[in-house]
Parts: sequence; C-alpha cells; structure tokens
Amino acid sequence: NAGVTQTPKFQVLKTGQSMTLQCAQDMNHEYMSWYRQDPGMGLRLIHYSVGAGITDQGEVPNGYNVSRSTTEDFPLRLLSAAPSQTSVYFCASSYRNLTLSTTDIYFGEGSWLTVV
Amino acid sequence: SQELEQSPQSLIVQEGKNLTINCTSSKTLYGLYWYKQKYGEGLIFLMMLQKGGEEKSHEKITAKLDEKKQQSSLHITASQPSHAGIYLCGADHIPPGDNYGQNFVFGPGTRLSVLP
Repeated sequence: NAGVTQTPKFQVLKTGQSMTLQCAQDMNHEYMSWYRQDPGMGLRLIHYSVGAGITDQGEVPNGYNVSRSTTEDFPLRLLSAAPSQTSVYFCASSYRNLTLSTTDIYFGEGSWLTVV
Repeated sequence: SQELEQSPQSLIVQEGKNLTINCTSSKTLYGLYWYKQKYGEGLIFLMMLQKGGEEKSHEKITAKLDEKKQQSSLHITASQPSHAGIYLCGADHIPPGDNYGQNFVFGPGTRLSVLP
C-alpha cells in the first residue's frame, strides 16, 4: 500500500525554468492538497482539490498551477520558477471520517526544491 | 497571523531533561494533531487528540488537549538526542457533523535540540 507518492525528492532549478511536482495517492481520497514549508512558517496551503476536476486556491497560490484530471493524481506546476519558491513541498491526501468527526490526513515524503 | 501559535519557537535542552511545547488556537480545536519532522525528512504522525481533557502517551511523549479545546501541550520526559527535530501541531477546525472544507491548518513549528 503506497499511500501518497511524491516526486522528485530533490530538484534544483534555474530562475525562469518550469517544472512539475508529481503527487499520486492510491487510497481513493477525494481531497488532495499541496503545502509549502518554510522556516518559522509551518506548512502553508498552496492549492487544494475536493475531487477530480475541482481545484481551489489556498493561502499562497501565486506562481503555482494545479489540475486534477483523476482522483489519484494532483500535480503542482511551477511555470516560471523564482528564488522565492525555494522551499520544501508536501502533498497530502485526506479523508473526512464522518463517524469519528476526524480528518485522516496522509502526507508524501516531501520535495526539496532550490531555485537559483 | 497564524491560526495556530506554537511556543517556544526553538528549544535547546540537555539530554535527560523534561520539556513542554505548547500549541494554541483562537478557534475550537475539533482535532489536534502532533507531528515530528527530522531535518531533511518528511512528517511523522505522533498523536491525535479530539476530546477536551484528553491525554495520550507514547513512550516518553505525552500530549494533552485542554478542556476548552483551544490549547494543547506536548511533554517529553527524560529527553534523548533521538527526540531532536521540529515539532508541528496541526488542527482540524471542522465541527462534528460537518462534511468538508479546507480547515486543516498548521502551527509554525518548534525546533528542538537535545545536547548529549
């Protein structure tokens, strides 16, 4: 059972280059999200999706695009990388347990991105 | 401003000492999650608290949620170098019975160093 698979783990980009961070989950969760983690800021929400074909902006969406063509995949695109996007990125997949009233959230292992 | 505040921001303790990390919210915490992160690695789920006054322990780590469900503490007894890392609290602000919305937020993290 893979859970949430996130690639690549490490990437160095030059300013202006584009790239896509891949995220896939095999738990059939409707809800997926991308966070970035910066020192002293915790995890901040970039974009999220409540199901295939539906995406929305989080707290820090500028400079990022997402799409959700299938339930399993939720890629994050940087169209023109900037040094301010140097960060650690986490993909998450979650499920709302209505019986227990809890949110079961699963994280990928993280992607360390450096933009020079 | 952060929806979740953590204190202290960083902590350096001598091996064997006890320590406490706090997580505070201005909103009711319907689910409070504690994670640990070692430098360069992903998030490790520690514990989840849901009920006011609830307390959970795992090995030398104890987490509590206050009766008002707006503050949680994480206590480590007889700290060891293996406890070093960043501790993050995450909170679910979705009330019981509600279905969904992106209401899962994180604190800024507490960086713990344990000196041998």
